[in-house]
Amino acid sequence: QVQLQESGPGLVKPSETLSLTCNVSGGSISSFYWSWIRQPPGKGLEWIGDIYYLGSTNYKSSLKSRVTISVDTSKNQFSLKLSSVTAADTALYYCARKIYYYSGMDVWGQGTTVTVSS
Amino acid sequence: QSVLTQPPSASGTPGQRVAISCSGSSSNLGSNIVNWYQQLPGTAPKLLIYSNNQRPSGVPDRFSGSKSGTSASLAISGLQSEDEADYYCAAWDDSLNGVVFGGGTKLTVL
Repeated sequence: QVQLQESGPGLVKPSETLSLTCNVSGGSISSFYWSWIRQPPGKGLEWIGDIYYLGSTNYKSSLKSRVTISVDTSKNQFSLKLSSVTAADTALYYCARKIYYYSGMDVWGQGTTVTVSS
Repeated sequence: QSVLTQPPSASGTPGQRVAISCSGSSSNLGSNIVNWYQQLPGTAPKLLIYSNNQRPSGVPDRFSGSKSGTSASLAISGLQSEDEADYYCAAWDDSLNGVVFGGGTKLTVL
C-alpha cells in the first residue's frame, strides 16, 4: 500500500524559501503524477502544482513565479520549493498522488504545517 | 473566491439524504471530470468520488456523484454522524491548466 510522508522545516522566515519533501513508500514513484496542495488555517484546499514522474510540471498560475516542484526517482521522492514566502504562505501542506493529470488524488500524505514568521 | 462554487454549509438529520452542489464553467466541469473529497476533522482529505460518479474501494454506496454540464452534485443517503466533515469538489481546468477546488462545504449532522 502506497504511503506518502511530507517532511521539512515547520518554521520559515519571511522572504526565505520553503522547502518540503514527500517520500513515497510501498510503491514506485514511476507512472504517476505527484501533487502539492495546501490548506491555510481554517480555510479550504489550494492546489499548488503537479509533477509527472518524468519531470514535466504544472503550477498554479498565481504561484508560478515562486514555485518549483522536482522529482528524484532514485530516492522515490518529490519536492516543493516556494520562494519569497510571506505570512500568507502559512498552511498545512499536503502531498498527493494522481494517476492522470486530470484524475482524483487517491493517496494523500498526512500533511505538514509550515508557519512563516520571523 | 474559488473557481468552483459550493455552498459553505449543509445539514441533515441521521437517515436523511443530503446533496451538495458544485458549480463551474465550460473550462472545468464542462469539459473534465469532477472528483469529490471528504475531509474529516483533523485529517487529510480522502478521495470520495472520482470520475464524476465512481467510488474508490471502501467508500460506502451511500455516497454518489453526478455531473451535468457545468454542475456536479454529491449525494449522501442514510446520513450518519460520522459523515460530519468538509466536502470539496475538484476538477482540472483547461484554461488555468491546473486543478481547481471548490471552497468546501461543511456538513453538519444534526
